[in-house]
This record gives sequence, structure tokens and C-alpha cells, in this order.
Amino acid sequence: GQQLNQSPQSMFIQEGEDVSMNCTSSSIFNTWLWYKQDPGEGPVLLIALYKAGELTSNGRLTAQFGITRKDSFLNISASIPSDVGIYFCAGYERGGSNYKLTFGKGTLLTVNP
Amino acid sequence: NAGVTQTPKFRVLKTGQSMTLLCAQDMNHEYMYWYRQDPGMGLRLIHYSVGEGTTAKGEVPDGYNVSRLKKQNFLLGLESAAPSQTSVYFCASRDQNTEAFFGQGTRLTVV
Repeated sequence: GQQLNQSPQSMFIQEGEDVSMNCTSSSIFNTWLWYKQDPGEGPVLLIALYKAGELTSNGRLTAQFGITRKDSFLNISASIPSDVGIYFCAGYERGGSNYKLTFGKGTLLTVNP
Repeated sequence: NAGVTQTPKFRVLKTGQSMTLLCAQDMNHEYMYWYRQDPGMGLRLIHYSVGEGTTAKGEVPDGYNVSRLKKQNFLLGLESAAPSQTSVYFCASRDQNTEAFFGQGTRLTVV
């Protein structure tokens, strides 16, 4: 089955620093998603990517759809304490016959004020 | 707007007991999913459904059963709970034009 490898597993940074995380897949996708999970809550969609090479921003967050269609990257600029949480990537083939939605293992982000 | 609602939010079971977790969505989504979240393991897919009356196995289906009798509801059953099923369970729903929305989770402890 498809596997998503997300790295790093955890990050400890100082407030104001930039953060990068990435996700690679054994399968080709036409949709990449990035979610954030706050403590005690369910994951919430941050950014959706639908085209290889696409670069999309949401405030201080920027995500990219890799040109090989097997990877994606998420960057957070000028981190703040409320960025703390678990970030998950997910990928799937929109319009295909495989309806599974598989997630990476997540990146736990801690921001020190 | 309720979105995806999971009940109960917390539950403690004794080994061998059975229970059903309910997921209800009010967005008329076709696809629904059940995941479990364990430390360091991320979100692992248990079962999913692509429409009313259909179900399919995910990555970790053993020990669980599901039913989708109504489009808006997706039930996850544990027939004989085991301590290894202690976890946080999340339900999600989506359709062809909308990405997945998640519920708030159910924290289950099996003692």
C-alpha cells in the first residue's frame, strides 16, 4: 500500500525562527494536503495543493507540490507560540478509484517563547 | 454548523466489553473514514466508506467493524475490547470536491 514518510518527527525551535518539514511518497499523487492538529483537537486543513510545482501560501505558511508528484514541503515563517501542534501531510489521487486518504506520521512542533 | 460530530468524547472500557463509536456529518459527504491516533504512529486508517451501504478495510482493521446504514452516519464497533485498542479515534468525511473534515476525537481507554 501507499506509504508517506514525513520528516522531521519533531522540532524544537525559538519563537521567530522559520520551520521546514517535508513528506515523500512511494506513490504518485495529484493532491497533497497539509493539516494541523492542536492539542486535544482534531486535525484542521491548512493548505491543499492540486498541481505539480504549485506553490501556495496561507499567511505565514507556504506549501509546495513537488514536481515529481511524490513529495511536498511545508514552510512556516517567523514562528509564534500558537504554531505549536502536530502537522500532518496527506496525499491521494483525486478522481481515481482509490478513495483511501493516508497520512504521514506527523511532525510535532514546539515553539519556545 | 456542526460539521463532523463524534460521540462519545471519552470512554473507559473493561477488557472484553463491546462498544460503538458514532460519527455523524451534516455536510452530505460521500466518503467517511475512521482513524486511530497513537503516539509516534500518526493517523492510521481503520476502515472507510465511499457511500451509504459500503465499507472497506484500511491499514489496521483487525478487531473493528463498521457500518454505514445512513449516509450521514458511520459507526465503528469494538466487539471485544483489548488494551491495545486504547487510543484516540478520529472520524473524517469528505467528498469529490471537498477535502476531509475531522471530528473532535474520542479518547478510549481499555483497562
